[in-house]
Amino acid sequence: AQSVTQLGSHVSVSEGALVLLRCNYSSSVPPYLFWYVQYPNQGLQLLLKYTTGATLVKGINGFEAEFKKSETSFHLTKPSAHMSDAAEYFCAVSGATSYDKVIFGPGTSLSVIP
Amino acid sequence: DTGVSQNPRHKITKRGQNVTFRCDPISEHNRLYWYRQTLGQGPEFLTYFQNEAQLEKSRLLSDRFSAERPKGSFSTLEIQRTEQGDSAMYLCASSSYSGGSYNEQFFGPGTRLTVL
Repeated sequence: AQSVTQLGSHVSVSEGALVLLRCNYSSSVPPYLFWYVQYPNQGLQLLLKYTTGATLVKGINGFEAEFKKSETSFHLTKPSAHMSDAAEYFCAVSGATSYDKVIFGPGTSLSVIP
Repeated sequence: DTGVSQNPRHKITKRGQNVTFRCDPISEHNRLYWYRQTLGQGPEFLTYFQNEAQLEKSRLLSDRFSAERPKGSFSTLEIQRTEQGDSAMYLCASSSYSGGSYNEQFFGPGTRLTVL
């Protein structure tokens, strides 16, 4: 069985400050890991993904995440927050052999304070 | 734009009524997925199709729910005898499956259902 936990349902950062959104997963098989962003009244957009290879993955809009197997974590970071980063962020996991079924975390709402 | 589209975007209905949602995937995508997202939660997998074949259904998909993809293109999700607990955002996604390698799922904007 697979599951995802996201620490902090709401995170607020000042514009220009570091963004850190935490994600821990549970998976009985090698995982594929994802971060999605959802803006109000819009669908989900893939920010970045880890499948195999390099454990530090870079995504769109300056975001990156590091897969740490020993910690079962996949935290999302961005060095400098921008007002346009305010959105809902979802961490997700799927099995490497059945990626079709993506299991999402509960989400973290990011607010950026001017 | 050739992204995933969903209609209607919003649906308000009374308890006990039937509703049907439509999803048009990206044209060359052979896989189509339905998810449900309730307020404050992440999306939950409901079902997916490869071409016209429905390959997996979540236990969340009770017998009041039925999904079809008759020609392997658009899909419909019908909910019969709606209940207030069905109120949610219903998301559709599509991907291009090619022999086991990862292919990104592209999401539509969703249909928000409110059951009164």
